[in-house]
Amino acid sequence: SQQGEEDPQALSIQEGENATMNCSYKTSINNLQWYRQNSGRGLVHLILIRSNEREKHSGRLRVTLDTSKKSSSLLITASRAADTASYFCAPSYVGGTSYGKLTFGQGTILTVHP
Amino acid sequence: NAGVTQTPKFQVLKTGQSMTLQCAQDMNHEYMSWYRQDPGMGLRLIHYSVGAGITDQGEVPNGYNVSRSTTEDFPLRLLSAAPSQTSVYFCASRQGQYNEQFFGPGTRLTVL
Repeated sequence: SQQGEEDPQALSIQEGENATMNCSYKTSINNLQWYRQNSGRGLVHLILIRSNEREKHSGRLRVTLDTSKKSSSLLITASRAADTASYFCAPSYVGGTSYGKLTFGQGTILTVHP
Repeated sequence: NAGVTQTPKFQVLKTGQSMTLQCAQDMNHEYMSWYRQDPGMGLRLIHYSVGAGITDQGEVPNGYNVSRSTTEDFPLRLLSAAPSQTSVYFCASRQGQYNEQFFGPGTRLTVL
């Protein structure tokens, strides 16, 4: 399968702590995207990092990409209870059989305790 | 813009019934996709389209049909509903292969 694999499956932290989630993927990518899903709702795009970028920031989010290891990480700093959600990565693969598709893994369930 | 809209929000079917889940987007996006989400399974791609008149199968296409007669609409048809199709269905769209994707609010389907 061509989806990204998120790790860990679940993460439980206290408010104010940092949360780190990881994503591994299979082959060459154009970019890698991270999404958040609040319970029962549609996914919301968080951040996109291109294959020629190594790090990207958006507010309290920091994403890194290591194409040599085919992995990415999402760091949420100073977590809040409102960050409680599932987080998914979506590698946007280059061409071939991936044309038209954007696939998702099982996600990381983040719980932030007040 | 309304973004990606899906109807209905909830639906209960009996085994063997057919129905169509509606999806529409007003962003003039080329690409549209249907996913199903089951507990512990993440999102699985059912069918996708890269433009009007062009559709293809995803990871779990069996039991579902799609068509794309306009850029805006991408309906998903369940031909003969089965309990295994009980799930939450999400429609999504994006402009181009490598751009961010926008999701609808989902349809929660129960097949008895």
